[in-house]
Amino acid sequence: DAGVTQSPTHLIKTRGQHVTLRCSPISGHKSVSWYQQVLGQGPQFIFQYYEKEERGRGNFPDRFSARQFPNYSSELNVNALLLGDSALYLCASSPVRDPNQPQHFGDGTRLSIL
Amino acid sequence: AQSVTQLDSHVSVSEGTPVLLRCNYSSSYSPSLFWYVQHPNKGLQLLLKYTSAATLVKGINGFEAEFKKSETSFHLTKPSAHMSDAAEYFCVVRRAGSYQLTFGKGTKLSVIP
Repeated sequence: DAGVTQSPTHLIKTRGQHVTLRCSPISGHKSVSWYQQVLGQGPQFIFQYYEKEERGRGNFPDRFSARQFPNYSSELNVNALLLGDSALYLCASSPVRDPNQPQHFGDGTRLSIL
Repeated sequence: AQSVTQLDSHVSVSEGTPVLLRCNYSSSYSPSLFWYVQHPNKGLQLLLKYTSAATLVKGINGFEAEFKKSETSFHLTKPSAHMSDAAEYFCVVRRAGSYQLTFGKGTKLSVIP
């Protein structure tokens, strides 16, 4: 079975631009979470979506938004990019809205801001 | 609020010797605890999880961890290191009833041949 897939794998943008990152969860998984991992740090929680609704949000500005589609895939959008947004963005999926179920991570999208 | 502290940013061991990666946690509620591993330019792979069952948890690739509530610790161990174990390891806490994972800063494990 395919794991969590993210696209693109790498992306280069300039300050002020907008970016959209995409995630396809493991088949049958309805919950998707997004994390930001800055170089040298652990991942930080951005959003969790379940059944197309936002169920949790981390401490990130309103420039960050996301949505989940009927097929449970998800997009993360970031507006007005800043240099500090340069990071690895990770998507994780899990089968049900049960915190005891482990999350399965994709390989991430590496975003570089020039 | 919950948090984790990984006590070593870098651990270096010789191949065939034991591995110990230390983690202390802080949580107001009964936590779930995890260890994830990240190889270079890769996503995160779950090694093991503790969710209030047995305090000694066995994971993949010979790793195990012991939950010690009195010490608020969840250290990761392996009896004999292999070259393929070289990676970044993250201790992770999740508060009961919450979906949000809180990661430590990571411990980079180097294995010397």
